[in-house]
Amino acid sequence: DVKVTQSSRYLVKRTGEKVFLECVQDMDHENMFWYRQDPGLGLRLIYFSYDVKMKEKGDIPEGYSVSREKKERFSLILESASTNQTSMYLCASRAGRRALWGQPQHFGDGTRLSIL
Amino acid sequence: SQQGEEDPQALSIQEGENATMNCSYKTSINNLQWYRQNSGRGLVHLILIRSNEREKHSGRLRVTLDTSKKSSSLLITASRAADTASYFCATITSYGKLTFGQGTILTVHP
Repeated sequence: DVKVTQSSRYLVKRTGEKVFLECVQDMDHENMFWYRQDPGLGLRLIYFSYDVKMKEKGDIPEGYSVSREKKERFSLILESASTNQTSMYLCASRAGRRALWGQPQHFGDGTRLSIL
Repeated sequence: SQQGEEDPQALSIQEGENATMNCSYKTSINNLQWYRQNSGRGLVHLILIRSNEREKHSGRLRVTLDTSKKSSSLLITASRAADTASYFCATITSYGKLTFGQGTILTVHP
């Protein structure tokens, strides 16, 4: 089975801090995704990556950046955390060949981030 | 705006009853997927139905797709307390990105 591991289940940070959320997958998937999930708003895509060192903006990239230096690892960075970034963050991966774009995504258990 | 919209937002039933959740979407799709999320956890893929399919089964799950109405439904038969979770439909957009609805919260009472 595919395993997507997020480094922290819960994280508390202060306004203005630089925050790193880490995600590792063990299935050699080309594609990795970062979402945030908020009540009433569902899941929204922040960034995704289809290859090492490649990144694409999702629907709500403002205030975030990402890093993909190795295929198995995709990091989400909050450059200067703000209270409106308090949320549940979910990482996902999926095989990347075009013929497999319609295949399911595999999710980590999420990081619940609180910005004080 | 969300591509998929689930209905109802919340559903409460007794164990053994069937649960039906509906999803509507706006644009053409290649496939539609349903996911489950237990409280405080990540999403787990349940079933995928392609645009040229009308119905698909997996265990106690039955999914239908009506592309003319741009809608899908998920039926869980003989529900169990362990089925208590949020259920999301998702459609594929460019580069295989998923767009999720806001989900249906299902509560199954023992």
